Amino acid sequence: AQSVTQPDIHITVSEGASLELRCNYSYGATPYLFWYVQSPGQGLQLLLKYFSGDTLVQGIKGFEAEFKRSQSSFNLRKPSVHWSDAAEYFCAVGRYSGGGADGLTFGKGTHLIIQP
Amino acid sequence: NAGVMQNPRHLVRRRGQEARLRCSPMKGHSHVYWYRQLPEEGLKFMVYLQKENIIDESGMPKERFSAEFPKEGPSILRIQQVVRGDSAAYFCASSPPSGNNSPLHFGNGTRLTVT
Repeated sequence: AQSVTQPDIHITVSEGASLELRCNYSYGATPYLFWYVQSPGQGLQLLLKYFSGDTLVQGIKGFEAEFKRSQSSFNLRKPSVHWSDAAEYFCAVGRYSGGGADGLTFGKGTHLIIQP
Repeated sequence: NAGVMQNPRHLVRRRGQEARLRCSPMKGHSHVYWYRQLPEEGLKFMVYLQKENIIDESGMPKERFSAEFPKEGPSILRIQQVVRGDSAAYFCASSPPSGNNSPLHFGNGTRLTVT
């Protein structure tokens, strides 16, 4: 069975500092990997996704993520965070690019706090 | 273009009542997914529907929960005889007919509180 682990429940970063959010997954085949962001009271917005090709993928809002097969990781990074990046971030894995049968499997999320 | 519309945004029910959550997918989308988010948890897949068909309901509790996506109108997630443990945020997502390889678009969710 697939699973996603986000080891950090909360992360606090100063505005302008760099950010890395960790994600490890367990999956039987080559999965699609996703990062979503959820602002308070809102739905989820897709930041980026990976299936194959270049292991460094670029997303919206200046985010990027690197797929490392040997570590089963898909960490999210941003060189310089802004106060508006404060939100909940979810890593997800799935058999298809969209939901498909089985849907997506999500991690428990990392709550990002930005200090002024 | 309207996104995925869910209503109501907030729903309060007493134990034993029924909850009906509605989801109107994005225009042109015929695939709908329901997810549940318990407090301090990630989203858990519940059910995947296409028009008039349930494709995968492996994440649905066996009792009290049902979902439909009729030919006309929104998708409905129905919870009968609600209990406190049903309190959660319920999110709907949709994708176009190409389905499996089209990204999901999520609604803003319905937050159900059972008192």
